[in-house]
Amino acid sequence: GAVVSQHPSWVICKSGTSVKIECRSLDFQATTMFWYRQFPKQSLMLMATSNEGSKATYEQGVEKDKFLINHASLTLSTLTVTSAHPEDSSFYICSALTSGSGTQYFGPGTRLTVL
Amino acid sequence: DAKTTQPPSMDCAEGRAANLPCNHSTISGNEYVYWYRQIHSQGPQYIIHGLKNNETNEMASLIITEDRKSSTLILPHATLRDTAVYYCIVRVPTPLTGANSKLTFGKGITLSVRP
Repeated sequence: GAVVSQHPSWVICKSGTSVKIECRSLDFQATTMFWYRQFPKQSLMLMATSNEGSKATYEQGVEKDKFLINHASLTLSTLTVTSAHPEDSSFYICSALTSGSGTQYFGPGTRLTVL
Repeated sequence: DAKTTQPPSMDCAEGRAANLPCNHSTISGNEYVYWYRQIHSQGPQYIIHGLKNNETNEMASLIITEDRKSSTLILPHATLRDTAVYYCIVRVPTPLTGANSKLTFGKGITLSVRP
């Protein structure tokens, strides 16, 4: 199956700093990638849709200036959490859309803890 | 995406078949049924998808009723590693870019496999 990686797998940062999370499709090209957030004991919530070479589409209630998304190549999308606060602590998961079957494959997730 | 309903939880004995039900009574004619699972603290894993015919792969079988209003995911010989939250999602498998290809996760069904 298609493989998606994320880096880092976990990160701890101080309040007010920015954190960048990378999402890579390792064995396929992905024009579209997605970013999700998951709080403890809750389901995944879509944050934004990332399209290569164009601006991301954010879901209602997600601040685009706080969660910066860059999809600069067909295998890499990045999510930057700017001026992180403790309430941003969560599990961030990306997925990549295959062009053939239209199936989404997910990365292993990044655990962000903001102190 | 059409909504799906799943029981909150179920359990089964190791080595036995696990049959996970899903209701999707408002599914449209061009929407597929997708199944993903999420093991604790990991990203979701794609399992299988189908339109109207039964499907089988190395992980599971998907049985879709003739009226397509419900489906069952079958894990033929459940192991302890199959303990996870299983999500049933219906959507159009858009292989192209765009927000139409996003997945909407419900609460899923928690499968517990007991020794």
